[in-house]
Amino acid sequence: SQQGEEDPQALSIQEGENATMNCSYKTSINNLQWYRQNSGRGLVHLILIRSNEREKHSGRLRVTLDTSKKSSSLLITASRAADTASYFCATDARGAQKLVFGQGTRLTINP
Amino acid sequence: NAGVTQTPKFQVLKTGQSMTLQCAQDMNHEYMSWYRQDPGMGLRLIHYSVGAGITDQGEVPNGYNVSRSTTEDFPLRLLSAAPSQTSVYFCASSDLQGYQETQYFGPGTRLLVL
Repeated sequence: SQQGEEDPQALSIQEGENATMNCSYKTSINNLQWYRQNSGRGLVHLILIRSNEREKHSGRLRVTLDTSKKSSSLLITASRAADTASYFCATDARGAQKLVFGQGTRLTINP
Repeated sequence: NAGVTQTPKFQVLKTGQSMTLQCAQDMNHEYMSWYRQDPGMGLRLIHYSVGAGITDQGEVPNGYNVSRSTTEDFPLRLLSAAPSQTSVYFCASSDLQGYQETQYFGPGTRLLVL
């Protein structure tokens, strides 16, 4: 079963609005990562947050992590058409030497 | 640096045929992995390697073999292709602590099994 689950599965907003995606996971982790995938392309790393961190920023991206709820959120502020993509969270379950991805959130930014 | 490269970009196979998907990286990364991506299923880990000579199974290893004779290369072999293996395959690599750190993905190989 998937370690990470994103919510919602699809999100459509107007350009300039903020987009929030959530990720829930099941077991204790070391790190949680967010990736973006443009249609037909490989995944690109966006941000990594460690289990002892609660919030991290990178440009227009803000990631939070709540280990007590086993959840994370990715906020994209002031969205642009170029942000249209699928977004995936990935977690590394402690004790397992592998990274497991969720099913992704498909984000559409309407001009 | 070319990063992570994958060949071929697209392949059509008939059921029962075998083939090898190539993956190479020029970043001297120890950790490499193979994922498959199916519509609505996200990425599922097939096999991974923490260094030359060491491989292990992921979530969906059946029907696939891997080897890691060098740090640079991590080929994925389909032993006897089945329609259920129609998918997009991604190779990824990582340095430092491997799976815990940033993964660098290749552009993918689209495989169609008839």
